[in-house]
Amino acid sequence: KQEVTQIPAALSVPEGENLVLNCSFTDSAIYNLQWFRQDPGKGLTSLLLIQSSQREQTSGRLNASLDKSSGRSTLYIAASQPGDSATYLCAANAGKSTFGDGTTLTVKP
Amino acid sequence: GAVVSQHPSRVICKSGTSVKIECRSLDFQATTMFWYRQFPKQSLMLMATSNEGSKATYEQGVEKDKFLINHASLTLSTLTVTSAHPEDSSFYICSAEQGAGDTEAFFGQGTRLTVV
Repeated sequence: KQEVTQIPAALSVPEGENLVLNCSFTDSAIYNLQWFRQDPGKGLTSLLLIQSSQREQTSGRLNASLDKSSGRSTLYIAASQPGDSATYLCAANAGKSTFGDGTTLTVKP
Repeated sequence: GAVVSQHPSRVICKSGTSVKIECRSLDFQATTMFWYRQFPKQSLMLMATSNEGSKATYEQGVEKDKFLINHASLTLSTLTVTSAHPEDSSFYICSAEQGAGDTEAFFGQGTRLTVV
């Protein structure tokens, strides 16, 4: 059974800092890995999707990497802003998605 | 990206009544749709997988008769919470995929169900 772990559970940083969120998964037989953002009481916003054959994906200030063999993915956020405050979820997709518990990020002005 | 519309976004119902939640893929045909449930401060837990025209596959511990899933067309899946109770209050979210599970999943915006 796939298990997805996200570290840290919560993170507070001052505005402008670069940061890394970590995601690990136990079963490397995945089709893709997806990072999402969830604001309080809201649904999911897809940030980045990395196919199993890819190593990284970039969108603006976000960069996600995937090391399938070691079961790890990271989400790098450059020059963080208060608007980046949210919960970030990763999901490993092996036909159905298994989610981590998320990292709640607070960026202080 | 593709759009998945979920309706309603919020619903309050009385204990004992049934509630239907719709999930529509607006600009693509969804071979497979998934239903998730999220408790406060917790992550999303898969409830069931539905394929158009066939019965849904439920995850262990999910009551089939309580959470009825219908996937009658390639663009619509519905989740009906039958005889709802306060413990069914939760955030329900659907996702849809165009392919057989190896493609990107597109998520609806979720439904906040409150049973009073």
